[in-house]
Amino acid sequence: EAQVTQNPRYLITVTGKKLTVTCSQNMNHEYMSWYRQDPGLGLRQIYYSMNVEVTDKGDVPEGYKVSRKEKRNFPLILESPSPNQTSLYFCASSLSPSQPQHFGDGTRLSIL
Amino acid sequence: AQSVTQLDSQVPVFEEAPVELRCNYSSSVSVYLFWYVQYPNQGLQLLLKYLSGSTLVESINGFEAEFNKSQTSFHLRKPSVHISDTAEYFCAVIPSGTYKYIFGTGTRLKVLA
Repeated sequence: EAQVTQNPRYLITVTGKKLTVTCSQNMNHEYMSWYRQDPGLGLRQIYYSMNVEVTDKGDVPEGYKVSRKEKRNFPLILESPSPNQTSLYFCASSLSPSQPQHFGDGTRLSIL
Repeated sequence: AQSVTQLDSQVPVFEEAPVELRCNYSSSVSVYLFWYVQYPNQGLQLLLKYLSGSTLVESINGFEAEFNKSQTSFHLRKPSVHISDTAEYFCAVIPSGTYKYIFGTGTRLKVLA
């Protein structure tokens, strides 16, 4: 089954404790992306990747890092999480940027 | 700067009534356009897309959207809604030649019995 898998689905943690949210897709997609969803703000793109070892900033990259060492994986790293990063996060992938994206089920992060 | 505007944050409508969810964008270049739907506690799913060709696009569950270049709009319509259409709907654009997606703030459609 074609899917984008995110882990964990839920996480409560404390300020400053490094965390990683994993994202994996099994569709051989080249384009992958991370978003955060906040009430009233819709989805905002954090980072995207056009292919292995090629990443770039979206609209809200501050406080986040990503890597793309393999085509299927695109982890999101919060080196020193802060409460304003409490949000619902989505990973997505597509064959190319102009094609529809497949979304994961989301990761709800709470930073205390 | 490119942007997407969904003016209606919430739209209540009775079952079997028609509905229109509005989406306007600003871009100095041509764009690809999408509507996604998000059901409660789920990720987003593609509803329909406009890449090129006919300006009227349709989904398998009765929704349609029309790309209007002069008005920079991509409004979503359905002639008769069902309770099961209750969800949040997002309009998204990606300007051609770029890699950045821009989403609107979403419209919550609430279908009432």
